[in-house]
Amino acid sequence: DQQVKQNSPSLSVQEGRISILNCDYTNSMFDYFLWYKKYPAEGPTFLISISSIKDKNEDGRFTVFLNKSAKHLSLHIVPSQPGDSAVYFCAASYSGAGSYQLTFGKGTKLSVIP
Amino acid sequence: DVKVTQSSRYLVKRTGEKVFLECVQDMDHENMFWYRQDPGLGLRLIYFSYDVKMKEKGDIPEGYSVSREKKERFSLILESASTNQTSMYLCASSLTGLAGFHEQYFGPGTRLTVT
Repeated sequence: DQQVKQNSPSLSVQEGRISILNCDYTNSMFDYFLWYKKYPAEGPTFLISISSIKDKNEDGRFTVFLNKSAKHLSLHIVPSQPGDSAVYFCAASYSGAGSYQLTFGKGTKLSVIP
Repeated sequence: DVKVTQSSRYLVKRTGEKVFLECVQDMDHENMFWYRQDPGLGLRLIYFSYDVKMKEKGDIPEGYSVSREKKERFSLILESASTNQTSMYLCASSLTGLAGFHEQYFGPGTRLTVT
């Protein structure tokens, strides 16, 4: 049973426009959410995170929004750049004792077209 | 900067061989993880370790074992490699503690092909 779902395997966006990547989760215990970016033949790199006590976190061109009641988060990239083309993974975790794991979604491949 | 290194970027092994994948991190992180990434399946956790000599099974431990004799090193062992273990293997590490343990830092990956 997938606890973290990224329902769009791919997304294409024009350079300069907004990219919106979506993620849904089912486990109400999750209280921390992360986005990772992965280029081919490289390991994922941490991009941005949000705690469940917030509904928005911003870092430069990247903003993550969290809607706890809908169990939904989204990553906004504005403006999109060709270098943003990568696979984006949503991940979730919870702060209980011994909870060292991240649960990842299957990823969304973003293509930013020049 | 956290640095996680993996012993090989590309590896080709034959069916039935014993395969060792090594991972080293230089930031004194308590937690270390092994994942495999396959197209359409995302990142799946194989094993993790939260301390030296400690290990926990992840979601797909079958066919794998791990070893953590030193804090900085975490090894993944394929006891008898099979073709369905052809994959990208990713090692990660993280701190323990409210501020840091969620964020994992990944190595560059090892692309393993089993023929």
